[in-house]
Amino acid sequence: EAQVTQNPRYLITVTGKKLTVTCSQNMNHEYMSWYRQDPGLGLRQIYYSMNVEVTDKGDVPEGYKVSRKEKRNFPLILESPSPNQTSLYFCASSRLAGGLSDTQYFGPGTRLTVL
Amino acid sequence: AQSVSQHNHHVILSEAASLELGCNYSYGGTVNLFWYVQYPGQHLQLLLKYFSGDPLVKGIKGFEAEFIKSKFSFNLRKPSVQWSDTAEYFCAVNPGTTSGTYKYIFGTGTRLKVLA
Repeated sequence: EAQVTQNPRYLITVTGKKLTVTCSQNMNHEYMSWYRQDPGLGLRQIYYSMNVEVTDKGDVPEGYKVSRKEKRNFPLILESPSPNQTSLYFCASSRLAGGLSDTQYFGPGTRLTVL
Repeated sequence: AQSVSQHNHHVILSEAASLELGCNYSYGGTVNLFWYVQYPGQHLQLLLKYFSGDPLVKGIKGFEAEFIKSKFSFNLRKPSVQWSDTAEYFCAVNPGTTSGTYKYIFGTGTRLKVLA
């Protein structure tokens, strides 16, 4: 089954404790992306990746890191989480067609609480 | 900066009523346009998309959207809503290669509640 998986689905942590949220897709998509969803703000893109070793900032990259060492995986790293990073996080992937990103397939979301 | 505006934040309709959700974007070049839907407890999924060609696009579940370039709009419509359409709807723009960026910009979403 074609899908995007994220782990963990729920995470409660404390300020400053490094964490990683994993994302994996089995569709051989070139494009992968991370979003955060906050009430009243919709989805905001954190980082995206066009392919292996190619990443770029979205609109809200501060406090986050990503890496794309393999095509299928795109982990999100919070080196020193803070309470304002409490949010619902989504990973997504899509193929690239003619330089344009096609339909994004979203993961189930990771609800992160930073105390 | 590029932006996407969804002017209706909350919409409540009775079943069989017609629906139109507004979406305006601020980018002047070539864009890809999308509507995504998030049903309660489910993943975001694509409703429909516009890349080029016929500006009236049809999606799943009877939804359609019209791209009006002169108005920078991509409004979502459905002639007769059902209770199962209760969800949050997001408009999104992807400027593509001509902008030099592959960012996605989402609107803030519209929560639709359909009363049975």
